[in-house]
Amino acid sequence: KAGVTQTPRYLIKTRGQQVTLSCSPISGHRSVSWYQQTPGQGLQFLFEYFSETQRNKGNFPGRFSGRQFSNSRSEMNVSTLELGDSALYLCASSLVGRNEKLFFGSGTQLSVL
Amino acid sequence: TQLLEQSPQFLSIQEGENLTVYCNSSSVFSSLQWYRQEPGEGPVLLVTVVTGGEVKKLKRLTFQFGDARKDSSLHITAAQPGDTGLYLCTETSGSRLTFGEGTQLTVNP
Repeated sequence: KAGVTQTPRYLIKTRGQQVTLSCSPISGHRSVSWYQQTPGQGLQFLFEYFSETQRNKGNFPGRFSGRQFSNSRSEMNVSTLELGDSALYLCASSLVGRNEKLFFGSGTQLSVL
Repeated sequence: TQLLEQSPQFLSIQEGENLTVYCNSSSVFSSLQWYRQEPGEGPVLLVTVVTGGEVKKLKRLTFQFGDARKDSSLHITAAQPGDTGLYLCTETSGSRLTFGEGTQLTVNP
C-alpha cells in the first residue's frame, strides 16, 4: 500500500510569491490534515479536510488556505509569502480523522528568500 | 489550547545506554501519542496511551502514562544508533493533534 505522497519535496520561493503544495493520502483515507514544522515552534496544526470540507482550522492567517478534491487528494496554498513561512510542511492522512493514527508524508521543505 | 512540555530538549548518549524522556501537560490528556521523526521524514506513530497508569512496551521502548493523565514518559533500554530521531508527544483532540516541541535524541555508535 503506497504511503502519503507530498510534492514537491523542496521548494524555493521569494517574498511576495505564492505557492501550492500537494498531498496524496493513502488509498481509502478520507481525512487529510496539514502541519507546519519549524525549529522554533515545533509542529503546528494548519487545517484538516474530510470529504472535501474543512473540518478544523488552526491559528494561521488567511494567507494559508487549502482544499480537498473528490479523490481525497489535498492542496494547500500560501499567498504573499513571508520569510517566516520557511518551514517543513507535513501532510497526514487517516481513515476518518477522529483520534486515529495519522500517517505522515515526508513533507515539503519550503524556503522563502 | 493545551501546552505540552517535553524534556530534555536535546539528548546525546552512547550506544548501549538507557534513557528516559518526558512529556508534561498543564491539563489532563484525553489520550496521548508518541511519534518518532527521523531526519528528512515525517513523524511515525509509536504508541497511543489512553488509561491513567497504563504501561506499554514496544521492544526496547517502554511508555508510561501518569495516573493523573497529565504526564507521560518514554524509556529506551540499551539505545542503538537507529533510535536517533526527534521524539514527539501529542495530545489528540478530535482530528487535531497538539504537539510538544520534542526531544532530539542522538545515539552515538
